[in-house]
Amino acid sequence: KQEVTQIPAALSVPEGENLVLNCSFTDSAIYNLQWFRQDPGKGLTSLLLIQSSQREQTSGRLNASLDKSSGRSTLYIAASQPGDSATYLCAVRPRGYQKVTFGTGTKLQVIP
Amino acid sequence: GAVVSQHPSRVICKSGTSVKIECRSLDFQATTMFWYRQFPKQSLMLMATSNEGSKATYEQGVEKDKFLINHASLTLSTLTVTSAHPEDSSFYICSARAGLAGGEVETQYFGPGTRLLVL
Repeated sequence: KQEVTQIPAALSVPEGENLVLNCSFTDSAIYNLQWFRQDPGKGLTSLLLIQSSQREQTSGRLNASLDKSSGRSTLYIAASQPGDSATYLCAVRPRGYQKVTFGTGTKLQVIP
Repeated sequence: GAVVSQHPSRVICKSGTSVKIECRSLDFQATTMFWYRQFPKQSLMLMATSNEGSKATYEQGVEKDKFLINHASLTLSTLTVTSAHPEDSSFYICSARAGLAGGEVETQYFGPGTRLLVL
């Protein structure tokens, strides 16, 4: 059974800082890994999707990396802004199955 | 990008009533749709997977007679919470998976969610 863990559970940083969010998964036989943000009371917004054959994806100030062998992914946010405040979820889709397993989430607060 | 809508976005109902939530893929055909539930301060938990024209596959611990799922077309899936009780109050999110087309990456798109409050 795939287990996905995100550390830290909560993070508070001053505006402008670069930060890293971590996602760990127990089964390395994955199809892809996706990072989402969720604003309070809202649905999910997809940020980046990394296929199992890729090592990283970039979009603007966001960079996500994937290391299947160690079962880890990181989401790097450069020059953080108050608008980045949200809960960030990683989700792992395993090879051969349809079920996506979500991580526990990291609640980020960027202080102006 | 592809869009998935949900209706209603918020519903308040009395205990014992049934509530239907619709999930639509607006600009693509979704062969597979997923329903998730999220309790406060927790992550998303998959409830069931539905394929168009066939019965839904429910996750362990999810009552299929209580959470009725219908995937009647490639763009619409409905979740009906029957005889809702306060413990069913939660945030329900659907997801639709687009089929592969000419080298596209198969991606799962999420709806905005429906907040259910049962009094």
